[in-house]
Amino acid sequence: GAVVSQHPSWVICKSGTSVKIECRSLDFQATTMFWYRQFPKQSLMLMATSNEGSKATYEQGVEKDKFLINHASLTLSTLTVTSAHPEDSSFYICSANPREAEAFFGQGTRLTVV
Amino acid sequence: AQRVTQPEKLLSVFKGAPVELKCNYSYSGSPELFWYVQYSRQRLQLLLRHISRESIKGFTADLNKGETSFHLKKPFAQEEDSAMYYCALRSAGAGRRALTFGSGTRLQVQP
Repeated sequence: GAVVSQHPSWVICKSGTSVKIECRSLDFQATTMFWYRQFPKQSLMLMATSNEGSKATYEQGVEKDKFLINHASLTLSTLTVTSAHPEDSSFYICSANPREAEAFFGQGTRLTVV
Repeated sequence: AQRVTQPEKLLSVFKGAPVELKCNYSYSGSPELFWYVQYSRQRLQLLLRHISRESIKGFTADLNKGETSFHLKKPFAQEEDSAMYYCALRSAGAGRRALTFGSGTRLQVQP
């Protein structure tokens, strides 16, 4: 099946700093990628839809200035958590669909803000 | 608005016992339903989708539009089935739309 890769798998950062998470589709092109957030023992909640060559679409309640999304190529979307705070600590997961097929997920990035 | 409900956080069964993971949904249009599984320390992966009507690893799920349910079943649980299971929904014919997930059910299969 298709492969979606996230980097890094985990990151620890200090409060007030910014962290960039990459999501790559390794063997297919993705004009759209999705970013989810998962709190411990909870479900995946959609944060935003990343669109290649245009602005991301954010879900209600997600601060677009805090979670910057860039989808500059057909195989790469990045999520930057700006001015991170401890409450931003979470598991961030991206997904993409080859053509109209099923969604493939990255391995996730565990962010810890100290 | 679309919603997926998995009423059980944890389901514990013994090896060889039947398993049913419940999933109910609400959606005004025509949905596509999926079951995703997440084994320990692995990424989320598709288990099955309702339009395929296939059995994967012995699991089956039938979409019941009258009851708005998509329960996951397996007649004889195996220890390797222990994992987190998520029911998910998206609009039919919308391949690149995001998924709406249920809260997940952890299946523990005891020896």
